[in-house]
Amino acid sequence: DAEITQSPRHKITETGRQVTLACHQTWNHNNMFWYRQDLGHGLRLIHYSYGVQDTNKGEVSDGYSVSRSNTEDLPLTLESAASSQTSVYFCASSLTNTDTQYFGPGTRLTVL
Amino acid sequence: EDKVVQSPLSLVVHEGDTVTLNCSYEVTNFRSLLWYKQEKKAPTFLFMLTSSGIEKKSGRLSSILDKKELFSILNITATQTGDSAVYLCAVSNSGYALNFGKGTSLLVTP
Repeated sequence: DAEITQSPRHKITETGRQVTLACHQTWNHNNMFWYRQDLGHGLRLIHYSYGVQDTNKGEVSDGYSVSRSNTEDLPLTLESAASSQTSVYFCASSLTNTDTQYFGPGTRLTVL
Repeated sequence: EDKVVQSPLSLVVHEGDTVTLNCSYEVTNFRSLLWYKQEKKAPTFLFMLTSSGIEKKSGRLSSILDKKELFSILNITATQTGDSAVYLCAVSNSGYALNFGKGTSLLVTP
């Protein structure tokens, strides 16, 4: 069955370290998105991509980067992790020209 | 600046009650409004609404959009404990990223 997966599911890291969260989907969706979810803020958009080699900044992109080298994957990199980036991170994808997004299971990141 | 506001933020009801969740929005170039259910994991898709006045229904859940007054409601009839979750409202504009509200946390007690 087609699906969207994230890894790792849980990660603890230290301030200043580089961290990469993986997102992989097998639906052949062109659109992929990264959100973070924090208490009191709901889901906020970090970065998104509408296809290979396309990346765009979202509402809370500072300190994060993405790259899209193929259709299936959109890894999210925290260049130098900060405690303020402790959060639950969700990846999502959708078909071209559609709004319905399907979410991965999430990654809980703790930055100490 | 685009805004999506959900109310109430939290709600406790008894099994069998009917609940109405609200979502109001201010978005330039509105295209669609989506409802998601989130238990202790990933949000799962419920409905997408694009036209005013057309009710979407799935079992005990239904939703309707009012594009003139810029709001949507999500109704759940005969609630069950399995309906306990956070319900998220999101709006899309000219792009395909979603702008989410903060969610309504619903607790259904036996």
